[in-house]
Amino acid sequence: NAGVTQTPKFRILKIGQSMTLQCTQDMNHNYMYWYRQDPGMGLKLIYYSVGAGITDKGEVPNGYNVSRSTTEDFPLRLELAAPSQTSVYFCASTGLAGARQETQYFGPGTRLLVL
Amino acid sequence: DAKTTQPNSMESNEEEPVHLPCNHSTISGTDYIHWYRQLPSQGPEYVIHGLTSNVNNRMASLAIAEDRKSSTLILHRATLRDAAVYYCILRDRLPTNSGYALNFGKGTSLLVTP
Repeated sequence: NAGVTQTPKFRILKIGQSMTLQCTQDMNHNYMYWYRQDPGMGLKLIYYSVGAGITDKGEVPNGYNVSRSTTEDFPLRLELAAPSQTSVYFCASTGLAGARQETQYFGPGTRLLVL
Repeated sequence: DAKTTQPNSMESNEEEPVHLPCNHSTISGTDYIHWYRQLPSQGPEYVIHGLTSNVNNRMASLAIAEDRKSSTLILHRATLRDAAVYYCILRDRLPTNSGYALNFGKGTSLLVTP
């Protein structure tokens, strides 16, 4: 049971380039999330998904897109990278969303630098 | 959205108890108090959560004030591996009202010295 895995671990992008951050969980969780963390700050929610085929915006969705074609995978797409998207990106999942006692499981993160 | 207030940093000696405070004066009657921690260069990990009663698990204890406006995370014997940022969290309802997202503040950076 690997939990939540993310690839790549680190990436440097040039302004205007695009890339996809991969996230996979093997816990059969319905709910998945993408957060970003800027230096010295807490995490902010970008997008979330309540199940395959269903996604919605979080607090900071501009410049990103997501898809959820399977329960396991929740990729995050950056279409036109900007320096403001330099951050660490965390994917998370939970199987008890809606229940007040749910806990989220996080991946190790992807560190992105846009130059 | 419910908010929490934590000290920016705390320091502890190894093998001594650590008490990490959190204020959440606007907590609602049904909000659980969650604690996560983030070790250096890692994703956050769940520590403990509670509603009204004090809670214990293998990682920590959570003491909740009777009026629920504050809580304290207790690490009984700090180790060097406990050095991390500790987040006290009251979750936000998702916009679609279908679940919850974690509302991370800046947390408390715990330094453990030998």
